[in-house]
Amino acid sequence: EDKVVQSPLSLVVHEGDTVTLNCSYEVTNFRSLLWYKQEKKAPTFLFMLTSSGIEKKSGRLSSILDKKELFSILNITATQTGDSAIYLCAVGSRAGNMLTFGGGTRLMVKP
Amino acid sequence: DTEVTQTPKHLVMGMTNKKSLKCEQHMGHRAMYWYKQKAKKPPELMFVYSYEKLSINESVPSRFSPECPNSSLLNLHLHALQPEDSALYLCASSQDRSRDRYNQPQHFGDGTRLSIL
Repeated sequence: EDKVVQSPLSLVVHEGDTVTLNCSYEVTNFRSLLWYKQEKKAPTFLFMLTSSGIEKKSGRLSSILDKKELFSILNITATQTGDSAIYLCAVGSRAGNMLTFGGGTRLMVKP
Repeated sequence: DTEVTQTPKHLVMGMTNKKSLKCEQHMGHRAMYWYKQKAKKPPELMFVYSYEKLSINESVPSRFSPECPNSSLLNLHLHALQPEDSALYLCASSQDRSRDRYNQPQHFGDGTRLSIL
């Protein structure tokens, strides 16, 4: 059974801090790893990673995948209160057009 | 606002009612999905449609009945639901190219928050 585990479960930081969120996985026929940000409603797509060692960046957010050790990290630098959300990691497998989600990391950024 | 539109945003229904959730996208995506999300839990896949055909049904009870009338629309018909079916129901879509079918990000709608009395 495919498995995606995120850590920490929750995190409280102050504005300006840098955070690192972790996602480890065990899936059959890995195809891609995706990061989403979920506030009150729709999960918003952040990154899709398919190759090891290639960092993807978008503003203060960056992510990298290690396919040998089966994990990914999401970094957020200079955090802002608007970064407060649940960050979801999901892994796509060849088994179908389906994503297996991790349990999420709840990030709270205090002013 | 997302490019995947779901209606209604909120729905309260009794256990004997019949209602439908609707999802629409105009991004030309040919794969569409229904997910169920309970509070403080990640989304759980229910159904996948690929080119308007049901390709995955994750052992969902028959009181949930999906329908894909065309490539832009996805419905979820509800009948005789139970209180434990109360949840946020999310629709998503992705491109579905035959060469790289499983390698496209899914884009989510804002969801329908469903409460069963």
